[in-house]
Amino acid sequence: SQQGEEDPQALSIQEGENATMNCSYKTSINNLQWYRQNSGRGLVHLILIRSNEREKHSGRLRVTLDTSKKSSSLLITASRAADTASYFCATGLGTLTFGKGTMLLVSP
Amino acid sequence: SQTIHQWPATLVQPVGSPLSLECTVEGTSNPNLYWYRQAAGRGLQLLFYSVGIGQISSEVPQNLSASRPQDRQFILSSKKLLLSDSGFYLCAWSVQGVTEAFFGQGTRLTVV
Repeated sequence: SQQGEEDPQALSIQEGENATMNCSYKTSINNLQWYRQNSGRGLVHLILIRSNEREKHSGRLRVTLDTSKKSSSLLITASRAADTASYFCATGLGTLTFGKGTMLLVSP
Repeated sequence: SQTIHQWPATLVQPVGSPLSLECTVEGTSNPNLYWYRQAAGRGLQLLFYSVGIGQISSEVPQNLSASRPQDRQFILSSKKLLLSDSGFYLCAWSVQGVTEAFFGQGTRLTVV
């Protein structure tokens, strides 16, 4: 079953702009992760936020978590063309359940 | 360091033919292993996971099976492929008790 749902499905921005992607989930979680997938490649883990955390930073990434709304957001600041990829949120312990992803296109 | 190998990268197979995709992990012991399938423009669907040799759990009924003959080897198989088996197959591993998963580069399977 689909646990996470990202929106928007697609996002197109210019280099230097910020990109915000959202994820909603249905059941209680212990943590939420964000992954990145370049076209035709495997997924790469970006960041994990625990259910008792509200915000977490990693380089140009900022993740927020609102357990009362069952939602999370991923912000990429000062985007680059190399950030072009699909981004997925995932929940679960052991077996992960992924959303459908947001396709981000960053144009030079 | 740990690495995961998945092959082949692409595969075109006729309907009714058998399938064998292999995944191996190096640099760790007793990992959890996973097979996911990703349809075009879609999220990932968990097909199988394994917590140890010979221990396979299936998430969805399908035309596929999985086996774990060795601690760090995970194989996805089919006796007779269907057109609907086409997709992007991803193998992944995680440390038991840890959430973060590490993915292989995937196999693009086209059944014709």
